Amino acid sequence: QQPVQSPQAVILREGEDAVINCSSSKALYSVHWYRQKHGEAPVFLMILLKGGEQKGHEKISASFNEKKQQSSLYLTASQLSYSGTYFCGTEGSGGSNYKLTFGKGTLLTVNP
Amino acid sequence: GAVVSQHPSWVICKSGTSVKIECRSLDFQATTMFWYRQFPKQSLMLMATSNEGSKATYEQGVEKDKFLINHASLTLSTLTVTSAHPEDSSFYICSAKTARSGSYEQYFGPGTRLTVT
Repeated sequence: QQPVQSPQAVILREGEDAVINCSSSKALYSVHWYRQKHGEAPVFLMILLKGGEQKGHEKISASFNEKKQQSSLYLTASQLSYSGTYFCGTEGSGGSNYKLTFGKGTLLTVNP
Repeated sequence: GAVVSQHPSWVICKSGTSVKIECRSLDFQATTMFWYRQFPKQSLMLMATSNEGSKATYEQGVEKDKFLINHASLTLSTLTVTSAHPEDSSFYICSAKTARSGSYEQYFGPGTRLTVT
């Protein structure tokens, strides 16, 4: 079942922060975050595994609450290069053979 | 590291012909590769899972006789769209999961834009 992402779109000024949420109706083993720019393939950002972990690098971090079946992606002090569509991909628990189901995406636009 | 290539990057073909798309993991071995299609401004829809040396597993609603998948080696998977029709026009993207134990990341290729006229 497709995870639900919110918001659908967000517009920021350079330097502002944003949070993108991803929630699932089923138990999850992992959540994968990707950013896709127009006409290009998705670029891997990070993966969070069951266990309620948090991860981050530079100004992009994420959390995964397995009990709530939710993950959030945090973008701080946004840069113009952060613009793109962000997808979360979820892997269900119980042996899914690594198959990911992607949300509909969140379009992030960072303006100067 | 973790580079995945696709060839061709775009292709235009006539209705009724077949098109082959290659997906290669350049600097790692991939026991599992995935094929997706993406329509404009929409999400990635998984078509099939390709495991090296075995038959691909197709998602519900995907015709296995129309979308032939071969995973001949740990670095190459191919998708052949047979008897293509205009409704098959789409962006086809592969991803590869490393064979490394304990690794769960999937890396995407740059995609192939197929236009059927």
